Amino acid sequence: EPEVTQTPSHQVTQMGQEVILRCVPISNHLYFYWYRQILGQKVEFLVSFYNNEISEKSEIFDDQFSVERPDGSNFTLKIRSTKLEDSAMYFCASRVLTSGQETQYFGPGTRLLVL
Amino acid sequence: SQQGEEDPQALSIQEGENATMNCSYKTSINNLQWYRQNSGRGLVHLILIRSNEREKHSGRLRVTLDTSKKSSSLLITASRAADTASYFCATVPYSGAGSYQLTFGKGTKLSVIP
Repeated sequence: EPEVTQTPSHQVTQMGQEVILRCVPISNHLYFYWYRQILGQKVEFLVSFYNNEISEKSEIFDDQFSVERPDGSNFTLKIRSTKLEDSAMYFCASRVLTSGQETQYFGPGTRLLVL
Repeated sequence: SQQGEEDPQALSIQEGENATMNCSYKTSINNLQWYRQNSGRGLVHLILIRSNEREKHSGRLRVTLDTSKKSSSLLITASRAADTASYFCATVPYSGAGSYQLTFGKGTKLSVIP
């Protein structure tokens, strides 16, 4: 069964460093998402992406964040200058475009630790 | 305001018993979905119920939706130790268009004791 994959599974970085989190959505999916979950808290929506542009973004998704679909398969989240509070589990998700098929399929997550 | 609040926050039951988790939300929705998360792992989609549906079944799962009360419940029947996980409800807002982003609740931590 096709699934969303994410790399790396864990990332440790120093405050102020740039990180890129990578996702490979399911191949026939056209809508892509990033969510994050700070330890012990809710899963929070960051951004959605469709047709090579951001569809919607939350207040969390400030200028330090960017997303890109550099090729036909990868979908990346970049944090330009990490802060301690960026430590969280980051989930990528994807879904088909078809109306009535709103189920989002999540990847296993990347655990980011900013020191 | 909080969208998608589950209760109880934690639930501990014996294997074989039924587990019921509730979710309340505040704004109009297109659909409501339940996800499961094993400790520190990814989110697994369980079931989706649309705003015009009242009840849905999938295997040992039964979901109800009451849009007048803005609430949903997830029932897991004949629970197993492997059902031990956190369960989240997530709502998709009602809108004519949009990316259908999910708004998650804080989750219910279910422990099934063998």
